[in-house]
Amino acid sequence: NAGVTQTPKFRILKIGQSMTLQCAQDMNHNYMYWYRQDPGMGLKLIYYSVGAGITDKGEVPNGYNVSRSTTEYFPLRLELAAPSQTSVYFCASSYSRGRDSNQPQHFGDGTRLSIL
Amino acid sequence: EDQVTQSPEALRLQEGESSSLNCSYTVSGLRGLFWYRQDPGKGPEFLFTLYSAGEEKEKERLKATLTKKESFLHITAPKPEDSATYLCAVPAYSGGYQKVTFGTGTKLQVIP
Repeated sequence: NAGVTQTPKFRILKIGQSMTLQCAQDMNHNYMYWYRQDPGMGLKLIYYSVGAGITDKGEVPNGYNVSRSTTEYFPLRLELAAPSQTSVYFCASSYSRGRDSNQPQHFGDGTRLSIL
Repeated sequence: EDQVTQSPEALRLQEGESSSLNCSYTVSGLRGLFWYRQDPGKGPEFLFTLYSAGEEKEKERLKATLTKKESFLHITAPKPEDSATYLCAVPAYSGGYQKVTFGTGTKLQVIP
C-alpha cells in the first residue's frame, strides 16, 4: 500500500542547475498537488492538477513547471535553481467530485532540496 | 480570503498532562475541517475530517471537535509518542478546483 511516493528524498543543487522531483500515487486519485514547506510558513501550493492533461498554477508557481500525462504521475520541474527554492517539497493527492467534495489530501514524505 | 490560524505555536507537556490545541478559521462556506499529524522528516498524515459544527471524532488519545469558528484537538494523558506537529486545514472550492488552506501548525512535545 504505497500511497504517494516521492523521489529523491534529499538533493543538493548548484545555482542554475535543473532537476525534476518525481511523484507517483497508486490510489487512482484525480487531484494531485505540489506544495513547498518553509519553516514557520506553512504549506504553500505551487501547482495542482485536476486530472491527466490538466494543470494550473497555485500560490507560488514562479520558477517551477509541471506536467501530468497520466493519472499516476505528477513531476515537478525546476529549470534554473535559485537559493530561494531551498525548501521541503511535498506532493499530495486526493479524490474530488467537484464543488461539494471535501476529501482530505494524502501526502508523500517529501523531497528536501538545498540550492547552494 | 480563507484563513486558518493555529495556537499555540508550540506546546510542551509532561506525560499524562492533558491539553488542547486550537484552530480558528474564516472560510466562505465551510465544507469540513481536516486535522493532520506531521512527524519530523515526514509528510502530513491525515487524522480526522470534521464535517459540521458540533461534530466530534476520536482516535486513541486524540479528540477533535468543531464549532462554527474554531476546532479543538484535545489530547488526553499524552505519551511521548504523541510528540509531533499538528496541522489543521480547511477545504474550499475556488476557481474551479478544490483548494485547501493549511494552518502553520502546533508543535507538541511530550516529556517523559
